[in-house]
Amino acid sequence: RKEVEQDPGPFNVPEGATVAFNCTYSNSASQSFFWYRQDCRKEPKLLMSVYSSGNEDGRFTAQLNRASQYISLLIRDSKLSDSATYLCVVLNTGGFKTIFGAGTRLFVKA
Amino acid sequence: EAGVTQFPSHSVIEKGQTVTLRCDPISGHDNLYWYRRVMGKEIKFLLHFVKESKQDESGMPNNRFLAERTGGTYSTLKVQPAELEDSGVYFCASSPKLGYGYTFGSGTRLTVV
Repeated sequence: RKEVEQDPGPFNVPEGATVAFNCTYSNSASQSFFWYRQDCRKEPKLLMSVYSSGNEDGRFTAQLNRASQYISLLIRDSKLSDSATYLCVVLNTGGFKTIFGAGTRLFVKA
Repeated sequence: EAGVTQFPSHSVIEKGQTVTLRCDPISGHDNLYWYRRVMGKEIKFLLHFVKESKQDESGMPNNRFLAERTGGTYSTLKVQPAELEDSGVYFCASSPKLGYGYTFGSGTRLTVV
């Protein structure tokens, strides 16, 4: 089993739709959680950190459930420009080793 | 603020040759990380520097890979001798503190032929 698993994609949604991505992690001692966005042939860019209390940034909402060891990202009112691969990233304790999920590809269509 | 800079952006070398990748982190970022993404796989951690010290190098594939960060500023990742399976995109990232999100460089696409 992979340490970080994401929803298999791709997700194809129309503009304006709401889409949710899930991510599960296996190490209960994991300490920090992030969502990154990666455009084709580009570097990953930090989208948002994920806090235990849940956090929102505009159309994006991230939630963490430590008991169930999953993280979610909700995108409301999807835009064409949201099309990208979304990466779930987990930092583990100890060496603060970073574990990346394989990513979920999102296509938003007009 | 200048971002994380990586050089070269692309490198094509023959099996058995040596290649050195360079990363300049954001100024003041003590934490520097190297990652690699091979075709069709997820991004994998290679190692982590805090200033000039290697904090965690558990992700380094083998002893053909050598990373340095002299003076705690820029870092180099040398592959010697390169093998075909070393092909991929090598990303560098930096962060000001542990546990913070990282800023990634645009990566070096390495092709070993």
